[in-house]
Amino acid sequence: NAGVTQTPKFQVLKTGQSMTLQCAQDMNHNSMYWYRQDPGMGLRLIYYSASEGTTDKGEVPNGYNVSRLNKREFSLRLESAAPSQTSVYFCASITRAGSYNEQFFGPGTRLTVL
Amino acid sequence: EDKVVQSPLSLVVHEGDTVTLNCSYEVTNFRSLLWYKQEKKAPTFLFMLTSSGIEKKSGRLSSILDKKELFSILNITATQTGDSAVYLCAVRNTDKLIFGTGTRLQVFP
Repeated sequence: NAGVTQTPKFQVLKTGQSMTLQCAQDMNHNSMYWYRQDPGMGLRLIYYSASEGTTDKGEVPNGYNVSRLNKREFSLRLESAAPSQTSVYFCASITRAGSYNEQFFGPGTRLTVL
Repeated sequence: EDKVVQSPLSLVVHEGDTVTLNCSYEVTNFRSLLWYKQEKKAPTFLFMLTSSGIEKKSGRLSSILDKKELFSILNITATQTGDSAVYLCAVRNTDKLIFGTGTRLQVFP
């Protein structure tokens, strides 16, 4: 099992460009999450999907959109990137909403917006 | 507003020292508190705590929760250089995890 995979690992964008961060898990987990991590800020929830077909806003959703394409995949899209979106992005999944005893994280995507 | 506060922000110790990391919280609909270790990659799970006063232990690491005073501590005894990392505390409410900013621990030989 690969666990949670994310692509790309690194990305540099210019202000105004768009891109999609991909996340996939092969653990048959129901719930998936997107976080961003900035220096000194901990992890902040952007969007989450408690189950296939549903998505909800987290703490910092502005400037992002998500798609739960199927049970395996949960993508994060930046329509018009801004320097404030420079961060490390983590995708995570758990087996069912509420079973936070072991939330699996992907390796992260380091995004720089110039 | 829900919040999780960790202290200290940073800690530098020598191998063999014992450290205590603190996590206090104000979260509605508390369900559990979790500790993670983060090195130069994604966080890895350490403990989940749901009940007050019951210590969770794994090797040299242990943690306890006080739901009355709304805090948790993570203890690391006989620290090693491999313990150097950022330790994250997170509190789960109904459907989300709220993370603290983390404590950066550096252990020198």
